[in-house]
Amino acid sequence: DAGVTQSPTHLIKTRGQQVTLRCSPKSGHDTVSWYQQALGQGPQFIFQYYEEEERQRGNFPDRFSGHQYPNYSSELNVNALLLGDSALYLCASSGIEKGHTGNTIYFGEGSWLTVV
Amino acid sequence: GENVEQHPSTLSVQEGDSAVIKCTYSDSASNYFPWYKQELGKGPQLIIDIRSNVGEKKDQRIAVTLNKTAKHFSLHITETQPEDSAVYFCAATAYSGAGSYQLTFGKGTKLSVIP
Repeated sequence: DAGVTQSPTHLIKTRGQQVTLRCSPKSGHDTVSWYQQALGQGPQFIFQYYEEEERQRGNFPDRFSGHQYPNYSSELNVNALLLGDSALYLCASSGIEKGHTGNTIYFGEGSWLTVV
Repeated sequence: GENVEQHPSTLSVQEGDSAVIKCTYSDSASNYFPWYKQELGKGPQLIIDIRSNVGEKKDQRIAVTLNKTAKHFSLHITETQPEDSAVYFCAATAYSGAGSYQLTFGKGTKLSVIP
C-alpha cells in the first residue's frame, strides 16, 4: 500500500516564477492538507481540501492556492515566488485506519523548493 | 488559535536509557495529539498518536501520556537505540469531522542517542 506520494522531490525556481507541487493521498484517504516547513522549524499549516473544496486555511497569502481532484489527489500552486518561499512543502492525508477510532494523519516525504 | 510548546529542544541520551519529550497546548478543544519522527531530508513519520478520551497509549518501546486537565502530553521512548536519533515533533488539533482540522506543531526536539 503506497503511502502519501509527492512530486517533484526537489526543484529550483527563480523569484517571480510560479510552481505547482503534486500529491497523491494514501489509499482510502479523502482529505489532503498542505504544510510548509522552513529549515529548523515545525511544519506550518497552509490549507486543507476535502470534497474538492478548500475547508480551512492557515495564515498564508493568496499567492498560495490549491486544488483537489475527484480522485482525491491535490496540487499546491505558489505564484510570484519570493526567496522566503524556499522550504520543504509537505502533503498530509487523513482517513480512518484499521485499529484507530478516528482519522489518522500521514505525511509524504515532501517537495524541497529552492527559490533563487 | 492553538499554541503548542515543546521541551527540550535538544536531548542527548546514552543507548539503552529512556528519553522523555514534553508538550503543552493551549486550546482546550484539542482532541487529537500525534507524534512524528523526522529524519534528515525526509518527511515526518507518524510514530504514535493519542486521542482525548485516552490517558495513555503504548506501542512497544514508545508510549504517550495525556493530561487534559493540565493540557500537556508527553512522549516516552525506552531502551533507546542509535536509530532513534532524529527530530521529534508533537502536534495538536481540535478534530471535529472530515475536512475540519489543522495540526499545530511544536518546534521539535533533536534527540541524539549515543552508542
